[in-house]
Amino acid sequence: SYVLTQPPSVSMAPGKTARITCGGDNIGSKSVHWYQQMPGQAPVLVISSDSERPSGIPARFSGSTSGNTATLTISRLEAGDEADYYCQVWDTTSDHVIFGGGTKLTVL
Amino acid sequence: QVTVKESGPELVKPTETLTLTCSVSGFSLSNAGVSVSWFRQPPGKALEWLAHIFSNDDTLYNSSLRSRLTISKDPSKGQVVLIMINAAPTDTATYYCARIFDYDILTGGFDPWGQGTLVTVSS
Repeated sequence: SYVLTQPPSVSMAPGKTARITCGGDNIGSKSVHWYQQMPGQAPVLVISSDSERPSGIPARFSGSTSGNTATLTISRLEAGDEADYYCQVWDTTSDHVIFGGGTKLTVL
Repeated sequence: QVTVKESGPELVKPTETLTLTCSVSGFSLSNAGVSVSWFRQPPGKALEWLAHIFSNDDTLYNSSLRSRLTISKDPSKGQVVLIMINAAPTDTATYYCARIFDYDILTGGFDPWGQGTLVTVSS
């Protein structure tokens, strides 16, 4: 089955730019979506279709895909950005929704 | 306002059947193109997709759990129900439902998600 690989953790200072990667075989041919999950909260869609921001998501959040890697970029980091981030695709081969293992972003 | 909300038992004994309900508001399950999926997240672990029901009542299941799951909907009640048979301690998790449109299934993300409901499987 299709596998998405994320780094377990990423740390960056406030005001800097964090990049969270999501690796998958030829992921560039799929639509990748990103969710933010604050501690004890439900996931929230922050990037859809590789790079589209849903209404209400700050422009500091952006996404891109190329080859075997999708990237969520969060610029001008704030303490409130600390959360777990998950990438997700729909695997047409298995007709399954696939999530990455999640990345814990620490803003220190 | 478009919302979904999960409900179900807090505690289930091993081997029992778990029934979870996703109640929707602000949109109708009768609307063409509206789909709902169920997910779960064991404590401290990643999200896992469980099942999906399309607007035409077609269903999809996580192959690792297919034999234990049944998803259905009652548009008149605004509810999507997930039944899991033969519960085990490894099914302890927060269970979520979320909406997506049929036409977005390949290209869009799930939005909104419910707050989740924590189910513990223990004797």
